[in-house]
Amino acid sequence: DGGITQSPKYLFRKEGQNVTLSCEQNLNHDAMYWYRQDPGQGLRLIYYSQIVNDFQKGDIAEGYSVSREKKESFPLTVTSAQKNPTVFYLCATLGGQYYGYTFGSGTRLTVV
Amino acid sequence: QKEVEQNSGPLSVPEGAIASLNCTYSDRGSQSFFWYRQYSGKSPELIMFIYSNGDKEDGRFTAQLNKASQYVSLLIRDSQPSDSATYLCAVLKAAGNKLTFGGGTRVLVKP
Repeated sequence: DGGITQSPKYLFRKEGQNVTLSCEQNLNHDAMYWYRQDPGQGLRLIYYSQIVNDFQKGDIAEGYSVSREKKESFPLTVTSAQKNPTVFYLCATLGGQYYGYTFGSGTRLTVV
Repeated sequence: QKEVEQNSGPLSVPEGAIASLNCTYSDRGSQSFFWYRQYSGKSPELIMFIYSNGDKEDGRFTAQLNKASQYVSLLIRDSQPSDSATYLCAVLKAAGNKLTFGGGTRVLVKP
């Protein structure tokens, strides 16, 4: 089955630690995206990548880093995580102008 | 002005009624429009997309687009309790490479 796999589903880290979230896709889509969703809030774009070895900052890139070494993978690192309510991180790919995004199932990060 | 605006709700509708959700966008060059449904604790799932003026129907869902008024809507007919969710409007600009989302409208369908 084609799709996007985000792992792990739940993640706990201590404040100040770095943490890396995984996103893997087998849809053969070029463009990949990372969004953050705080409780009761909308989606905010962190980073996106159109092709391998290239990526652009979104609206809230500070405190995050990404890499795109291969088409299938777009990991997100939260640098020096801050204590806050559990945040929902969503990875997505763009299948084309008439297909919109396909989302992964998300990772919930809690910093204690 | 936000690029994509939605009423946050909650929009409360009785079971069996029509739920009407609205979305406005600011960029006249926008070319494709999407409606996503997000259940609490889950990731968004695509339920409709539209790119031409007029109506597009899929089952109980109808998307309506009016580019002159920069307005896109979603109608949910015969609303069911399982339709209770947050509905996100998203817009893709011409030659765009990412979707811009509205804040979402929370819909509550009461039995």
